[in-house]
Amino acid sequence: SQKIEQNSEALNIQEGKTATLTCNYTNYSPAYLQWYRQDPGRGPVFLLLIRENEKEKRKERLKVTFDTTLKQSLFHITASQPADSATYLCALDDNYGQNFVFGPGTRLSVLP
Amino acid sequence: KAGVTQTPRYLIKTRGQQVTLSCSPISGHRSVSWYQQTPGQGLQFLFEYFSETQRNKGNFPGRFSGRQFSNSRSEMNVSTLELGDSALYLCASSLELGNTEAFFGQGTRLTVV
Repeated sequence: SQKIEQNSEALNIQEGKTATLTCNYTNYSPAYLQWYRQDPGRGPVFLLLIRENEKEKRKERLKVTFDTTLKQSLFHITASQPADSATYLCALDDNYGQNFVFGPGTRLSVLP
Repeated sequence: KAGVTQTPRYLIKTRGQQVTLSCSPISGHRSVSWYQQTPGQGLQFLFEYFSETQRNKGNFPGRFSGRQFSNSRSEMNVSTLELGDSALYLCASSLELGNTEAFFGQGTRLTVV
């Protein structure tokens, strides 16, 4: 069956460290994968998109990798700050590119 | 430019009633998707509209329906409400169908009692 998993429900790290979040998928062949940030009571906000033919994408302190062989994406936040505390969702297009399927999310807490 | 606007923000309904939620996409965006978010199931796709036509539908019962108007605004309707329909309903707009970046509204928090 098709499945998207994110490494852990919650992740605590110290301010200044690099946070690494994992997204694994099964029985999908996505053309692209996205990462979103969601704060409590608000809708998700788009952060980064990476396509199947791209290995890595960067935006300021954010970096995403995409390994189609491992069926995994890693999302890194370097020099993390308490303001980075939020739930991070990965999303991929289903096999027909018709709609997004979201992972369960990882709640990141950056401790001062 | 203005973001995605969803109304109302909060709603309380009784079991058996019906409800209509509204979404105004970003100006120029032609695709509107709806999602249901619950603590147990996460974010689940309901349907996507483009050019006033439903283009894709998730795995939800027929009580969930929607439509899109010529100005791209969209509504979703849930009939015969059940307690399990309590959730945050999110609308997302994209420039085109199957477009890669979705812009979400703040959602409508529906509570069924």
